[in-house]
Amino acid sequence: AQSVTQLGSHVSVSEGALVLLRCNYSSSVPPYLFWYVQYPNQGLQLLLKYTSAATLVKGINGFEAEFKKSETSFHLTKPSAHMSDAAEYFCAVSDPARDDKIIFGKGTRLHILP
Amino acid sequence: DTGVSQDPRHKITKRGQNVTFRCDPISEHNRLYWYRQTLGQGPEFLTYFQNEAQLEKSRLLSDRFSAERPKGSFSTLEIQRTEQGDSAMYLCASSLKQGPYEQYFGPGTRLTVT
Repeated sequence: AQSVTQLGSHVSVSEGALVLLRCNYSSSVPPYLFWYVQYPNQGLQLLLKYTSAATLVKGINGFEAEFKKSETSFHLTKPSAHMSDAAEYFCAVSDPARDDKIIFGKGTRLHILP
Repeated sequence: DTGVSQDPRHKITKRGQNVTFRCDPISEHNRLYWYRQTLGQGPEFLTYFQNEAQLEKSRLLSDRFSAERPKGSFSTLEIQRTEQGDSAMYLCASSLKQGPYEQYFGPGTRLTVT
């Protein structure tokens, strides 16, 4: 069975500071990994995805994530936080051989301090 | 490409009533997914369709829940005899069958059962 653990349900960073949202996964097969963002009262938007190509994945809005198999991690980073980054972020995993559903973590709410 | 749309965006109903939600996927997408998201949790998979065929149902989908996609285009999710525990955001997503796939989410329908 696959699962995702997001460390920290709330993370606060100052505007202009580094954003680091942590995600560890569990999977018996090489996984696909995703980061989604959800703004209030909206659906989920894909930030980036890892699908077994490059381990450093660049996404939209300046975010990137690095797949580390040895650490079973897929942490999300952004060098400089912007007020508009305040949202809920979800890490997710899927089995490439069974591309029928995505297993989501519980989410991390990112707060940006002025 | 107008994105995934869901209707209604909000629904308030009394316990015991039936409700039906609609999802219109991106037109060329042949896969359609339903997820449920409760407060403080990530989305949880409910069911998915490939064209008109319902291929998998989660154990979360009790016999009060039924989903259809009659012509392989839009889908409906019906909840009969609603309970307060059904209060949640119901999210719809669609994708192409070919991988590495990417699921595009709609804005969701927020259900409140009083």
